[in-house]
Amino acid sequence: GQQVMQIPQYQHVQEGEDFTTYCNSSTTLSNIQWYKQRPGGHPVFLIQLVKSGEVKKQKRLTFQFGEAKKNSSLHITATQTTDVGTYFCAGRNTGGFKTIFGAGTRLFVKA
Amino acid sequence: EAGVAQSPRYKIIEKRQSVAFWCNPISGHATLYWYQQILGQGPKLLIQFQNNGVVDDSQLPKDRFSAERLKGVDSTLKIQPAKLEDSAVYLCASSQDSENYGYTFGSGTRLTVV
Repeated sequence: GQQVMQIPQYQHVQEGEDFTTYCNSSTTLSNIQWYKQRPGGHPVFLIQLVKSGEVKKQKRLTFQFGEAKKNSSLHITATQTTDVGTYFCAGRNTGGFKTIFGAGTRLFVKA
Repeated sequence: EAGVAQSPRYKIIEKRQSVAFWCNPISGHATLYWYQQILGQGPKLLIQFQNNGVVDDSQLPKDRFSAERLKGVDSTLKIQPAKLEDSAVYLCASSQDSENYGYTFGSGTRLTVV
C-alpha cells in the first residue's frame, strides 16, 4: 500500500539556522499537503502543492513538489523559536481518495 | 468561521469499557475524517465520510470501532470494548472536499485506557 516517509525524525537547530524536512512517497501523488503541529496542539494546514516541480513560499517557508510528484520538501530559513513543532507531510495518491500522513519531523529550536 | 468542535477533550477509561467521541465539523464541509494519533506518530486515518456516506474505512478496526455521520453533519466515533493500545488522541477533521482543500482539525480527544 501507499507509504509516506519523512526524514529526519528529529532536528535540533540554533535559532537563526535553516531547517529542511523531506517527504518521500512510494507512489505517485496527485497532491501533497503540509501541516504544523505545535506541542500539545493539533495539526494546522499550511499549504497544498499540486503541480509537478511546484514551488510555493510563505514568508520564511519554502515548499517544493518534486518533478516526479513522489517527493516534497519544506525549508525554513532563519528559524525562530515560534517554528518549534512537528511538521507533517500528507500525500494523496493518484486516483485515490485517501491522504496518508508521514510520521513527521519534530523541530527543536534553541534560542 | 467556527472551527471543528470535538468533545470530550480528555477521557480515561478502563480496558473493556466503551467510549464515544463527538465531532461537529465546519458548516458546509462535506468531507469529515476521523484520525487516530498515537504519541510520536503521524495521524492515521480511521474513516472518511463524504456527506453521510463512508468513502474509506479500510483501517477502522470494525470489530471494536464504529462511526456514523447522521444527516451529513455531526459525527460520532465509538470504541467498544476498548483495549490498552487504543490510548491515543482521536482527531476529527473536515474539508470542503477531499481533493482541493486542506483539512481543518479539531483539538482532539485524548483517550487513556488503563
